[in-house]
Amino acid sequence: EAQVTQNPRYLITVTGKKLTVTCSQNMNHEYMSWYRQDPGLGLRQIYYSMNVEVTDKGDVPEGYKVSRKEKRNFPLILESPSPNQTSLYFCASRSPSGELFFGEGSRLTVL
Amino acid sequence: GIQVEQSPPDLILQEGANSTLRCNFSDSVNNLQWFHQNPWGQLINLFYIPSGTKQNGRLSATTVATERYSLLYISSSQTTDSGVYFCAVARGAGSYQLTFGKGTKLSVIP
Repeated sequence: EAQVTQNPRYLITVTGKKLTVTCSQNMNHEYMSWYRQDPGLGLRQIYYSMNVEVTDKGDVPEGYKVSRKEKRNFPLILESPSPNQTSLYFCASRSPSGELFFGEGSRLTVL
Repeated sequence: GIQVEQSPPDLILQEGANSTLRCNFSDSVNNLQWFHQNPWGQLINLFYIPSGTKQNGRLSATTVATERYSLLYISSSQTTDSGVYFCAVARGAGSYQLTFGKGTKLSVIP
Protein backbone atom coordinates (compact mmCIF):
# COMPACT_ATOMS: atom_id res chain seq x y z
CA GLU A 1 0.00 0.00 0.00
CA ALA A 2 1.30 3.42 -0.99
CA GLN A 3 1.84 5.47 2.12
CA VAL A 4 3.77 8.08 4.04
CA THR A 5 4.68 6.94 7.55
CA GLN A 6 5.65 9.25 10.39
CA ASN A 7 6.81 8.46 13.89
CA PRO A 8 6.12 9.14 16.63
CA ARG A 9 2.44 9.97 16.26
CA TYR A 10 2.32 11.59 19.69
CA LEU A 11 5.14 12.99 21.77
CA ILE A 12 5.43 15.06 24.91
CA THR A 13 8.90 16.40 25.62
CA VAL A 14 10.64 19.16 27.53
CA THR A 15 12.35 22.31 26.38
CA GLY A 16 15.82 21.70 25.03
CA LYS A 17 15.66 17.94 24.62
CA LYS A 18 16.61 17.09 21.06
CA LEU A 19 14.11 15.04 19.13
CA THR A 20 13.65 13.61 15.65
CA VAL A 21 10.41 12.90 13.86
CA THR A 22 10.94 10.30 11.19
CA CYS A 23 9.20 10.19 7.83
CA SER A 24 9.31 7.48 5.23
CA GLN A 25 7.50 7.02 1.91
CA ASN A 26 7.27 3.93 -0.27
CA MET A 27 6.21 5.61 -3.53
CA ASN A 28 9.69 6.46 -4.81
CA HIS A 29 8.77 10.16 -4.83
CA GLU A 30 11.57 12.65 -5.27
CA TYR A 31 9.84 15.54 -3.52
CA MET A 32 9.12 15.47 0.20
CA SER A 33 8.20 18.19 2.66
CA TRP A 34 7.29 18.99 6.24
CA TYR A 35 4.38 21.13 7.41
CA ARG A 36 3.15 22.30 10.74
CA GLN A 37 -0.48 23.08 11.49
CA ASP A 38 -1.53 25.52 14.17
CA PRO A 39 -4.99 26.86 15.05
CA GLY A 40 -5.75 30.02 13.10
CA LEU A 41 -2.56 29.77 11.05
CA GLY A 42 -3.36 26.80 8.85
CA LEU A 43 -0.73 24.60 7.26
CA ARG A 44 2.71 26.13 6.87
CA GLN A 45 5.66 24.56 5.14
CA ILE A 46 8.81 24.10 7.22
CA TYR A 47 11.29 22.51 4.81
CA TYR A 48 11.15 20.65 1.55
CA SER A 49 13.44 18.41 -0.45
CA MET A 50 13.41 17.97 -4.19
CA ASN A 51 15.71 14.98 -4.14
CA VAL A 52 18.45 13.23 -2.22
CA GLU A 53 20.85 15.74 -0.65
CA VAL A 54 18.72 18.67 -1.91
CA THR A 55 16.78 20.52 0.78
CA ASP A 56 15.45 24.05 1.09
CA LYS A 57 13.63 26.24 3.57
CA GLY A 58 9.91 26.71 3.50
CA ASP A 59 7.95 29.45 5.22
CA VAL A 60 8.82 28.66 8.85
CA PRO A 61 12.22 26.90 9.03
CA GLU A 62 13.56 28.49 12.23
CA GLY A 63 14.32 25.94 14.93
CA TYR A 64 14.22 22.95 12.59
CA LYS A 65 16.70 20.90 10.59
CA VAL A 66 16.18 18.23 7.98
CA SER A 67 18.29 15.76 6.06
CA ARG A 68 17.71 13.69 2.94
CA LYS A 69 20.31 10.98 2.71
CA GLU A 70 17.99 8.48 1.04
CA LYS A 71 15.05 9.04 -1.26
CA ARG A 72 12.52 7.34 1.00
CA ASN A 73 13.39 9.10 4.29
CA PHE A 74 13.10 12.73 5.32
CA PRO A 75 13.50 13.20 9.09
CA LEU A 76 12.64 16.44 10.87
CA ILE A 77 15.04 17.37 13.65
CA LEU A 78 14.36 19.74 16.53
CA GLU A 79 17.77 20.38 18.06
CA SER A 80 16.49 22.35 21.04
CA PRO A 81 12.69 22.29 21.13
CA SER A 82 10.81 25.20 22.63
CA PRO A 83 7.14 25.51 23.64
CA ASN A 84 6.32 27.51 20.49
CA GLN A 85 7.10 24.37 18.51
CA THR A 86 4.13 22.62 20.06
CA SER A 87 2.12 21.76 16.99
CA LEU A 88 0.71 19.11 14.69
CA TYR A 89 3.35 18.11 12.15
CA PHE A 90 2.79 16.52 8.77
CA CYS A 91 5.24 14.95 6.39
CA ALA A 92 4.25 14.75 2.74
CA SER A 93 5.56 13.38 -0.52
CA ARG A 94 4.61 14.52 -3.99
CA SER A 95 4.10 12.48 -7.12
CA PRO A 96 5.62 13.58 -10.46
CA SER A 97 2.14 14.75 -11.53
CA GLY A 98 1.97 17.06 -8.50
CA GLU A 99 -0.36 15.17 -6.18
CA LEU A 100 0.61 15.53 -2.52
CA PHE A 101 0.26 12.65 -0.06
CA PHE A 102 0.36 13.29 3.68
CA GLY A 103 1.44 11.14 6.56
CA GLU A 104 -0.91 10.65 9.50
CA GLY A 105 0.54 13.51 11.51
CA SER A 106 2.66 13.80 14.63
CA ARG A 107 1.27 15.73 17.58
CA LEU A 108 4.14 17.27 19.50
CA THR A 109 3.91 19.00 22.87
CA VAL A 110 6.95 20.82 24.26
CA LEU A 111 6.70 21.66 27.97
CA GLY B 1 1.50 35.08 -3.76
CA ILE B 2 -1.64 33.31 -4.80
CA GLN B 3 -4.70 33.75 -2.58
CA VAL B 4 -7.09 30.89 -1.81
CA GLU B 5 -10.50 31.55 -0.32
CA GLN B 6 -12.85 28.83 0.81
CA SER B 7 -16.52 29.20 1.61
CA PRO B 8 -18.43 28.77 3.74
CA PRO B 9 -16.05 28.72 6.72
CA ASP B 10 -18.48 26.63 8.74
CA LEU B 11 -21.33 24.37 7.72
CA ILE B 12 -23.72 22.28 9.78
CA LEU B 13 -25.75 19.63 7.99
CA GLN B 14 -28.35 17.12 8.94
CA GLU B 15 -27.32 13.59 8.02
CA GLY B 16 -28.50 12.80 4.51
CA ALA B 17 -28.31 16.37 3.24
CA ASN B 18 -26.22 17.52 0.27
CA SER B 19 -23.68 20.33 0.28
CA THR B 20 -21.37 22.30 -1.96
CA LEU B 21 -18.05 23.71 -0.81
CA ARG B 22 -16.31 26.36 -2.84
CA CYS B 23 -12.66 27.27 -3.42
CA ASN B 24 -11.72 30.48 -5.22
CA PHE B 25 -8.15 31.27 -6.20
CA SER B 26 -6.57 34.47 -7.39
CA ASP B 27 -4.38 33.27 -10.25
CA SER B 28 -4.11 30.50 -12.79
CA VAL B 29 -3.05 27.17 -11.32
CA ASN B 30 -1.80 23.87 -12.63
CA ASN B 31 -2.30 21.96 -9.39
CA LEU B 32 -5.40 21.81 -7.22
CA GLN B 33 -6.21 19.29 -4.53
CA TRP B 34 -9.01 18.77 -2.04
CA PHE B 35 -8.24 17.22 1.34
CA HIS B 36 -10.38 16.12 4.25
CA GLN B 37 -8.98 16.47 7.77
CA ASN B 38 -10.92 14.13 10.00
CA PRO B 39 -11.58 14.79 13.69
CA TRP B 40 -8.46 12.77 14.56
CA GLY B 41 -6.30 15.17 12.55
CA GLN B 42 -5.47 12.95 9.59
CA LEU B 43 -5.27 14.66 6.19
CA ILE B 44 -6.84 12.51 3.53
CA ASN B 45 -6.57 13.08 -0.22
CA LEU B 46 -9.94 13.47 -1.84
CA PHE B 47 -9.21 14.74 -5.33
CA TYR B 48 -6.33 15.90 -7.46
CA ILE B 49 -8.24 18.08 -9.89
CA PRO B 50 -6.47 20.98 -11.63
CA SER B 51 -9.32 21.00 -14.15
CA GLY B 52 -12.44 19.07 -15.08
CA THR B 53 -14.74 16.89 -13.02
CA LYS B 54 -14.12 13.77 -10.96
CA GLN B 55 -16.35 11.59 -8.83
CA ASN B 56 -15.60 9.17 -6.04
CA GLY B 57 -18.66 7.63 -4.45
CA ARG B 58 -20.76 10.32 -2.76
CA LEU B 59 -18.12 12.96 -3.41
CA SER B 60 -17.42 14.78 -6.60
CA ALA B 61 -15.37 17.82 -7.57
CA THR B 62 -15.30 20.26 -10.43
CA THR B 63 -12.59 22.77 -11.24
CA VAL B 64 -13.16 25.56 -13.74
CA ALA B 65 -9.62 26.76 -14.13
CA THR B 66 -10.46 29.61 -16.51
CA GLU B 67 -12.82 31.09 -13.91
CA ARG B 68 -10.52 30.29 -11.00
CA TYR B 69 -12.74 28.21 -8.79
CA SER B 70 -13.35 24.65 -7.70
CA LEU B 71 -16.38 23.04 -6.11
CA LEU B 72 -16.60 19.99 -3.88
CA TYR B 73 -19.96 18.27 -3.72
CA ILE B 74 -20.95 15.98 -0.89
CA SER B 75 -24.17 14.06 -1.37
CA SER B 76 -26.16 12.13 1.24
CA SER B 77 -23.82 13.32 3.97
CA GLN B 78 -22.86 11.02 6.82
CA THR B 79 -21.49 11.78 10.28
CA THR B 80 -18.12 10.42 9.13
CA ASP B 81 -17.95 13.31 6.63
CA SER B 82 -17.44 15.69 9.54
CA GLY B 83 -14.12 17.50 9.71
CA VAL B 84 -12.35 20.26 7.82
CA TYR B 85 -12.11 20.34 4.05
CA PHE B 86 -9.08 22.07 2.56
CA CYS B 87 -8.43 23.24 -0.95
CA ALA B 88 -4.78 23.66 -1.96
CA VAL B 89 -3.34 25.09 -5.16
CA ALA B 90 -0.02 25.65 -6.89
CA ARG B 91 0.85 27.57 -10.01
CA GLY B 92 3.61 27.54 -12.57
CA ALA B 93 5.60 24.77 -14.15
CA GLY B 94 7.52 22.80 -11.56
CA SER B 95 5.76 24.58 -8.73
CA TYR B 96 6.41 22.68 -5.54
CA GLN B 97 4.70 24.73 -2.87
CA LEU B 98 1.00 24.33 -2.35
CA THR B 99 -0.97 27.23 -0.93
CA PHE B 100 -3.77 26.09 1.34
CA GLY B 101 -7.09 27.74 1.98
CA LYS B 102 -8.30 28.16 5.55
CA GLY B 103 -10.75 25.32 5.15
CA THR B 104 -14.46 24.67 5.57
CA LYS B 105 -15.42 23.06 8.85
CA LEU B 106 -18.27 20.61 8.26
CA SER B 107 -20.34 19.14 11.05
CA VAL B 108 -22.86 16.45 10.12
CA ILE B 109 -25.38 15.78 12.85
CA PRO B 110 -27.53 12.64 13.12
